[in-house]
Amino acid sequence: DAGVIQSPRHEVTEMGQEVTLRCKPISGHNSLFWYRQTMMRGLELLIYFNNNVPIDDSGMPEDRFSAKMPNASFSTLKIQPSEPRDSAVYFCASSLHSGNTIYFGEGSWLTVV
Amino acid sequence: GEDVEQSLFLSVREGDSSVINCTYTDSSSTYLYWYKQEPGAGLQLLTYIFSNMDMKQDQRLTVLLNKKDKHLSLRIADTQTGDSAIYFCAERRGSARQLTFGSGTQLTVLP
Repeated sequence: DAGVIQSPRHEVTEMGQEVTLRCKPISGHNSLFWYRQTMMRGLELLIYFNNNVPIDDSGMPEDRFSAKMPNASFSTLKIQPSEPRDSAVYFCASSLHSGNTIYFGEGSWLTVV
Repeated sequence: GEDVEQSLFLSVREGDSSVINCTYTDSSSTYLYWYKQEPGAGLQLLTYIFSNMDMKQDQRLTVLLNKKDKHLSLRIADTQTGDSAIYFCAERRGSARQLTFGSGTQLTVLP
């Protein structure tokens, strides 16, 4: 079975550019999570969706960040404009809403220069 | 202070047992998890335990939970060099779906 699929795996972009990260959850999973990992702050939840609806976006840093889930098999996390402090690994994860296990993708490694 | 705390580093000799510890503060935690992250990779779910259990064993892994002290540990028997990674403890609180993670413990296995 395919796990959570994220793209791109690595991205280097210049400050001020728009960045779009993509995620395909495990088929059949109806909860989707975006986490950010940095050395300073560890793993932080940015937002999570249930049945394509954002349930908790309190972790989204500021208006430059937005996330969408137009259907059950696709989500995007967009940063516009990007800043060097956004450099981090962004993980997508999914689970069944009724389940106990959350599976993570391989991450998108973002560097903003 | 952090809600989920772990020591940052642990070194063990190959073949020895490793014990990674975690403390949490929220008494409403329902499930507690251990994830493994190898360099450049994502988080791999190793195991999890329900809060009404005190032990769970899965091959070389043993999870112990002391709910009274809010202490969780992961024991890896016969530690191998391939076990070198960062290990994250995480909790799920009440009916929440998301997980709250500790800072991770870097396990180094020495030959």
